[in-house]
Amino acid sequence: GAVVSQHPSRVICKSGTSVKIECRSLDFQATTMFWYRQFPKQSLMLMATSNEGSKATYEQGVEKDKFLINHASLTLSTLTVTSAHPEDSSFYICSARGGDRDNQPQHFGDGTRLSIL
Amino acid sequence: GNSVTQMEGPVTLSEEAFLTINCTYTATGYPSLFWYVQYPGEGLQLLLKATKADDKGSNKGFEATYRKETTSFHLEKGSVQVSDSAVYFCALSGYSTLTFGKGTMLLVSP
Repeated sequence: GAVVSQHPSRVICKSGTSVKIECRSLDFQATTMFWYRQFPKQSLMLMATSNEGSKATYEQGVEKDKFLINHASLTLSTLTVTSAHPEDSSFYICSARGGDRDNQPQHFGDGTRLSIL
Repeated sequence: GNSVTQMEGPVTLSEEAFLTINCTYTATGYPSLFWYVQYPGEGLQLLLKATKADDKGSNKGFEATYRKETTSFHLEKGSVQVSDSAVYFCALSGYSTLTFGKGTMLLVSP
């Protein structure tokens, strides 16, 4: 149980392109979804938290106009990297949680490797 | 604020050796504690968790005990395998978010 599917797993595109990444909870309803960014050999950096039907809460330093997050249903959240540039190249990982309680674990997708040429 | 400190890696062991990866934390209130594992090129998988003091989480031969008196949640395994090679993250939850340690790479050789 508690499977999170993230798609695509890898994207290579030209500078200036917008890229959409999907995160789906396959066998549970995700009240809250999270988006992280991970640089090589480093820990995860939380970018934003999204709750179904409401605006995402972005962490300090994360541009909300650059990284658009939509959590339209209890099983789907999307991250769109708008007008991507080489510095946006990174490993993006989503996670989902079935409730609001802190003792409930987050379940992670397999990540998306984004490479901007 | 909340923080998690893990021992730096890489930790290099031979197969069947005993593993300890230290994790200590600073937090307000009573957080839940987690260990996640990340295999190369993949996302994170929940390995085990503990939600209150003295709880022991266990899975796949790994164990960790929530020690409030020492604010620790050390990960242990009695006999590691080559397939355990991965990066291990200690994390605590609070204010609806996870705070991660920097991760510890484990390399197990045959």
